[in-house]
Amino acid sequence: GESVGLHLPTLSVQEGDNSIINCAYSNSASDYFIWYKQESGKGPQFIIDIRSNMDKRQGQRVTVLLNKTVKHLSLQIAATQPGDSAVYFCAGRGYNKFYFGSGTKLNVKP
Amino acid sequence: DAGVTQSPTHLIKTRGQQVTLRCSPKSGHDTVSWYQQALGQGPQFIFQYYEEEERQRGNFPDRFSGHQFPNYSSELNVNALLLGDSALYLCASSLALTGTGNTIYFGEGSWLTVV
Repeated sequence: GESVGLHLPTLSVQEGDNSIINCAYSNSASDYFIWYKQESGKGPQFIIDIRSNMDKRQGQRVTVLLNKTVKHLSLQIAATQPGDSAVYFCAGRGYNKFYFGSGTKLNVKP
Repeated sequence: DAGVTQSPTHLIKTRGQQVTLRCSPKSGHDTVSWYQQALGQGPQFIFQYYEEEERQRGNFPDRFSGHQFPNYSSELNVNALLLGDSALYLCASSLALTGTGNTIYFGEGSWLTVV
């Protein structure tokens, strides 16, 4: 079946350090992936996306890496700030539907 | 440019009742998807509407139904509410049904509590 899952439910990092959030997916036909940030009581907010024909994409302070061989993607956040504290979801598109993992909670310690 | 808007933001219903949630997609978007997000979980796909028709459906019972209007806005209806229907209901919009790289944008959601 379809699934997109994350390795760690909670990640704690020191302010200023880099954060790496990982995600595995099961459907090798997934052609498009998105990372979302969700703050408490709010809807998911788009962070960055990547197509399956790419293996890396960079945004402002964020980088997404895609490894299709092992069906794994990661979100790297540089110089993590307190405002980055939230739950992060990866979503993969397969058969024209998006599937989400259960999320990783990022705690940024001052 | 308005993003995805949803109403109401919060509501409380009794078991057995029916509820209607509303969504206006991001300006220029023509496809609307609905997701259910239980506490501590990721969003689960309910269904997707395009050209006023249900195009895709997730693993949800027929108690969950929807509608899309000519202006692309959408409604989610849930009949015979169960306690387990308590969740955040998210609307997401995108442009066109097919094609790669069509990002979906979410609204802030409607919090439904069934008592």
